[in-house]
Amino acid sequence: DIQMTQSPSSLSASVGDRVTITCQASQDIRFRAHWYQHKPGKAPKLLIYDASALESGVPSRFSGSGSGTDFTFTISSLRPDDIATYFCQQSDSLPLTFGGGTKVEIK
Amino acid sequence: QLQLQESGPGLVKPSQVLSLTCTVSGAPINSGSFYWTWIRQPVGKELEWIGRIFSSGSTMYNASLKNRATISLDTSRHQFSLTLNSVTAADTAVYFCARERAVPSASFDYWGQGSLVIVSS
Repeated sequence: DIQMTQSPSSLSASVGDRVTITCQASQDIRFRAHWYQHKPGKAPKLLIYDASALESGVPSRFSGSGSGTDFTFTISSLRPDDIATYFCQQSDSLPLTFGGGTKVEIK
Repeated sequence: QLQLQESGPGLVKPSQVLSLTCTVSGAPINSGSFYWTWIRQPVGKELEWIGRIFSSGSTMYNASLKNRATISLDTSRHQFSLTLNSVTAADTAVYFCARERAVPSASFDYWGQGSLVIVSS
């Protein structure tokens, strides 16, 4: 199975800060990494697919980059509504696997 | 707007069968462009993909479940279901249903809110 190592596991940042989360795949997954936002008690939400494509309706302050084994997710200017857990997922091979998640809090 | 909602017992006894249903509203469940998928998250652990079913009825499962999982589709009721046999405490988790895009690559564009299932006597 492909392991997705996500870091950090949690972070605290101020409103307006740039926030960066990384995921490293245990093998080459080309561009097949996706990023989600999950708030407690709600359905997870797809933000970025295929490493860098912004899902329809998602604000442009969210972005993704990378290919191969190293991927980055960025919130360009953190807003209070962005408090959530973010996680990555690979779809290059079955079983589909996920990163451990990053809990983002406001400082 | 597509919505998915999980339903089923919140408590299952060890060695019994866990059964969950996902009701889909707002879009046809027999679309050929999507898989219907179950995912779970034990408390404090990573998400785990359980398996998927296509509109044709073809299925794929995570081998980690050792053939205990079955996913079925009921297009007339706009539902798909998960059964998991011989459960243990390790199967205690929040179970999510989701729609998985077949193209361009398998991302989950809609999810349910999740259903907590506790395995305990």
